[in-house]
Amino acid sequence: GNSVTQMEGPVTLSEEAFLTINCTYTATGYPSLFWYVQYPGEGLQLLLKATKADDKGSNKGFEATYRKETTSFHLEKGSVQVSDSAVYFCALRGRGGSNYKLTFGKGTLLTVNP
Amino acid sequence: DTAVSQTPKYLVTQMGNDKSIKCEQNLGHDTMYWYKQDSKKFLKIMFSYNNKELIINETVPNRFSPKSPDKAHLNLHINSLELGDSAVYFCASSNLAGGTGELFFGEGSRLTVL
Repeated sequence: GNSVTQMEGPVTLSEEAFLTINCTYTATGYPSLFWYVQYPGEGLQLLLKATKADDKGSNKGFEATYRKETTSFHLEKGSVQVSDSAVYFCALRGRGGSNYKLTFGKGTLLTVNP
Repeated sequence: DTAVSQTPKYLVTQMGNDKSIKCEQNLGHDTMYWYKQDSKKFLKIMFSYNNKELIINETVPNRFSPKSPDKAHLNLHINSLELGDSAVYFCASSNLAGGTGELFFGEGSRLTVL
């Protein structure tokens, strides 16, 4: 079945530091890949997505590139802010058949200190 | 306008009680989901309905019963609540017919069983 593995953290950074959160996946075919963010006390929001190999998703300074050869979708940001403190989830959705559900990684808690 | 709304946001109850959580989406989506998030932030899908038909039913105790009266509503009823049911329950919706399968989440319903 489909699965997502992401670094579990927690990750603690100083403001303006570089962020990488690793995510690798296992899936048949060509899944769509997503990063979701959950701010404290809120639901999940889509941060960015990529639907085919070599696509780069980007939003709010975050980027992730769909790498089929390494089955990875690592999240990066060049300079984090305190307001980026949240839990980040990598997720995939398979194609066709009964691949209706989004499969999530375990989440990575990011804390950014001023 | 709230896209996916859940009620109640907080629910505190005693073991053995029966409770319901309601969800409504005004996005015109054809598919709705219930996810459970435990204290470690791990997200696990429970159920999904597409056009009022159950399409995903993960390994969930039969004390949990979803009901979808129409495409815009998906409710979750829980019988004989147990301590382990304490969690945040998230409703989500998406369009299976077209699109990349992006999910839109509600703000969550925090259930505490005493």
